[in-house]
Amino acid sequence: QSVLTQPPSASGTPGQRVTISCSGSSSNIGSNSVYWYQQLPGTAPKLLIYRNSQRPSGVPDRFSASKSGTSASLAISGLRSEDEADYYCAAWDDSLSAVVFGGGTKLTVL
Amino acid sequence: EVQLVESGGGLVQPGGSLRLSCAASGFTLSSYSMNWVRQAPGKGLEWVSYISNSGSIIYTADSVKGRFTISRDNAKNSLYLQMNSLRDEDTAVYYCAREMTTTWFDYWGQGTLVTVSS
Repeated sequence: QSVLTQPPSASGTPGQRVTISCSGSSSNIGSNSVYWYQQLPGTAPKLLIYRNSQRPSGVPDRFSASKSGTSASLAISGLRSEDEADYYCAAWDDSLSAVVFGGGTKLTVL
Repeated sequence: EVQLVESGGGLVQPGGSLRLSCAASGFTLSSYSMNWVRQAPGKGLEWVSYISNSGSIIYTADSVKGRFTISRDNAKNSLYLQMNSLRDEDTAVYYCAREMTTTWFDYWGQGTLVTVSS
């Protein structure tokens, strides 16, 4: 079991808005920034969101994220077929002195 | 252009050892902390180890503590992961990742596959 909890799957049709949740605790999300990574099939992960809600240059503004307490969420609006990928949340855990990842959410665009 | 290229993966028997390398280019390695992250076949991402830019601070996941050792040679623009006492469950693609700050991995290598099997 992963320290951060994500739903294993999510889906939507093109143009829809989908959200992916990430639940943690006071020692990780509750006290540190959350990061989101996108992993397209057969490729290395790519940074999608940093410091809870910031997008690196090149990431479309269709992707947004937020954090509240010990939970975080990633939203993808105007869903496109190329968004089909695995999405992971991550944070530093003060108790473990380790980076912890969520188990990943496989997004399917129907 | 920032590039990270892992090498050294392969097939190894349980109990064996392997040393992974990550060659960095396009940036000054000594200015960045680095990490290893792995992914077992069909599974999610698992952080393995962190090393500060000077090498003075190291963190290692409990699952590999005492068996894996991260190191770096800034003069050779290289990051390493020495893996000893390998187990079946260490089978994974191993990625090196550059760190901007804690958990902020802005560049990743393409990964190298380690298979532990008899």
